[in-house]
Amino acid sequence: QKEVEQDPGPLSVPEGAIVSLNCTYSNSAFQYFMWYRQYSRKGPELLMYTYSSGNKEDGRFTAQVDKSSKYISLFIRDSQPSDSATYLCATSGTYKYIFGTGTRLKVLA
Amino acid sequence: EPEVTQTPSHQVTQMGQEVILRCVPISNHLYFYWYRQILGQKVEFLVSFYNNEISEKSEIFDDQFSVERPDGSNFTLKIRSTKLEDSAMYFCASTRLQDQPQHFGDGTRLSIL
Repeated sequence: QKEVEQDPGPLSVPEGAIVSLNCTYSNSAFQYFMWYRQYSRKGPELLMYTYSSGNKEDGRFTAQVDKSSKYISLFIRDSQPSDSATYLCATSGTYKYIFGTGTRLKVLA
Repeated sequence: EPEVTQTPSHQVTQMGQEVILRCVPISNHLYFYWYRQILGQKVEFLVSFYNNEISEKSEIFDDQFSVERPDGSNFTLKIRSTKLEDSAMYFCASTRLQDQPQHFGDGTRLSIL
């Protein structure tokens, strides 16, 4: 079983749609949960960082963690063409981050 | 906003040659990391470094790899004898405290010929 699983997409949505991105993880010892955005030929850019179960909101982005089902989500409201990128989920128990494969998102104008 | 910077952005090297990838982490950060991303694959952890020593490394980080913080600002990854399969994007990351999020640079694209 992979440590972090993420649907690679691609996911295409019209501008203004609500986007839901999801990951599952296998190790209950993971404590930290991150979402990064990665544009082509760029490094991962931190979007959200959470520690506990529940929701965390930042502008148009909401991160959701359910530790009981080992499920993490990122919601993007009012999606924009500039949101088109690859979204990486990551978890961590110690020093290292373990990433999912990334979901490619395309928001159509 | 402070950022992690990496040089060069693209490095082309002959197989068997040594290569050094350079990173300048965010200035007040204490924990430093290298990750790699082979084209089309996930970002993979290589090594973490704190207080001038390796704190954790992956099975990828074998004897061909080494890291160093030669001064107060730089953090380097050396690959002693490059192989074709070392071709990848290499990302440096840093964080001030272990339980704070890691911030990544834009990477060095390493191409081994």
